[in-house]
Amino acid sequence: KAGVTQTPRYLIKTRGQQVTLSCSPISGHRSVSWYQQTPGQGLQFLFEYFSETQRNKGNFPGRFSGRQFSNSRSEMNVSTLELGDSALYLCASSLGGGTQNIQYFGAGTRLSVL
Amino acid sequence: DAKTTQPTSMDCAEGRAANLPCNHSTISGNEYVYWYRQIHSQGPQYIIHGLKNNETNEMASLIITEDRKSSTLILPHATLRDTAVYYCIVRASPGTYKYIFGTGTRLKVLA
Repeated sequence: KAGVTQTPRYLIKTRGQQVTLSCSPISGHRSVSWYQQTPGQGLQFLFEYFSETQRNKGNFPGRFSGRQFSNSRSEMNVSTLELGDSALYLCASSLGGGTQNIQYFGAGTRLSVL
Repeated sequence: DAKTTQPTSMDCAEGRAANLPCNHSTISGNEYVYWYRQIHSQGPQYIIHGLKNNETNEMASLIITEDRKSSTLILPHATLRDTAVYYCIVRASPGTYKYIFGTGTRLKVLA
């Protein structure tokens, strides 16, 4: 069974640009969550999608957005990039129901903003 | 939001048991505790989860206190490849799918 796939693995952008990251979940998983990891703030929850609807949201500005498609694949978009957006962006997929909800993570996309 | 607290770092001799504690005193009654580890900024890897009873799988054992306010992850025979950052995580609040990662414990297994 294929794991969670994130593309691209590495990305370099300049301030003011926008970026789109992609996540393909494990087959059969309907929930996709996104996290930002930085040395200073650690792993922080961005948002979670289930059946194409954003179900939960973290404390990030509106420049961070996402969507989920009918095949459960998800994209995350960051507009007007700032230097502080440099981070490892992780997505995790899960079945998304019940009290037991094991998330499986992808390898991440490392974004560098210059 | 719920919160977890873990020691910043620990050392363990190779071949010995590594015991990693986590405080989750704000956890709600029916919420699970999950443990993950992250090696060299790869994606976190699921290890084990539990609710009330002790749990064991091929990777580790999880001991949860009776009051559920804390738990301990046990790696019975640590190897150098177990060097990683270990996170215990819980849901921010019941029914949500927002998960809170603490700062994690950096475990170093020494030869």
